[in-house]
Amino acid sequence: NAGVTQTPKFRVLKTGQSMTLLCAQDMNHEYMYWYRQDPGMGLRLIHYSVGEGTTAKGEVPDGYNVSRLKKQNFLLGLESAAPSQTSVYFCASSYGTVSYEQYFGPGTRLTVT
Amino acid sequence: AQKITQTQPGMFVQEKEAVTLDCTYDTSDQSYGLFWYKQPSSGEMIFLIYQGSYDEQNATEGRYSLNFQKARKSANLVISASQLGDSAMYFCAMREGGNFNKFYFGSGTKLNVKP
Repeated sequence: NAGVTQTPKFRVLKTGQSMTLLCAQDMNHEYMYWYRQDPGMGLRLIHYSVGEGTTAKGEVPDGYNVSRLKKQNFLLGLESAAPSQTSVYFCASSYGTVSYEQYFGPGTRLTVT
Repeated sequence: AQKITQTQPGMFVQEKEAVTLDCTYDTSDQSYGLFWYKQPSSGEMIFLIYQGSYDEQNATEGRYSLNFQKARKSANLVISASQLGDSAMYFCAMREGGNFNKFYFGSGTKLNVKP
């Protein structure tokens, strides 16, 4: 039982390049989330999914796209990376909503130069 | 206005002593959930404790307890008998109602436990 895994762990991009971050969970959770963590700001929700084939915008969705083609996977895409997207990205999943905690992946450190 | 406020950027505590990490929140919803997470230097986020807005008793999980004062909109984390392994960043978070996109984190408190 690996929980929530993220690939890659580190990545350096040049401005304008694209990339996809992969999140996978083996807990059969319906809900999945992508966050970014910037220094001194805590985590902010980018996009989330309430089930296979569904996605929705969070607090800071601009510049990102997501897809949930399979229940266990949640992909975060950056089509044209910008230095402002330098951050640590966390994926999370949960069984339920209000009362259920979110299980987090180990994070992906992305630097855009 | 900030949804979650953690006013202590850093704190020190002596090993084996208790420590309180402050968290205040802002919501007009009647139904909400409050969470505390721990982030060690290795970077992962570890769930510690949960308190629902309708829960009358303060939540407890081992050495962690949540001092929930609804009228004051505060949800302080109390760690009893601090251990060196408790040194980490601690984040308070809130989910408003059943809205998936209304999940807010505070800026965190860095706790250092001294031997």
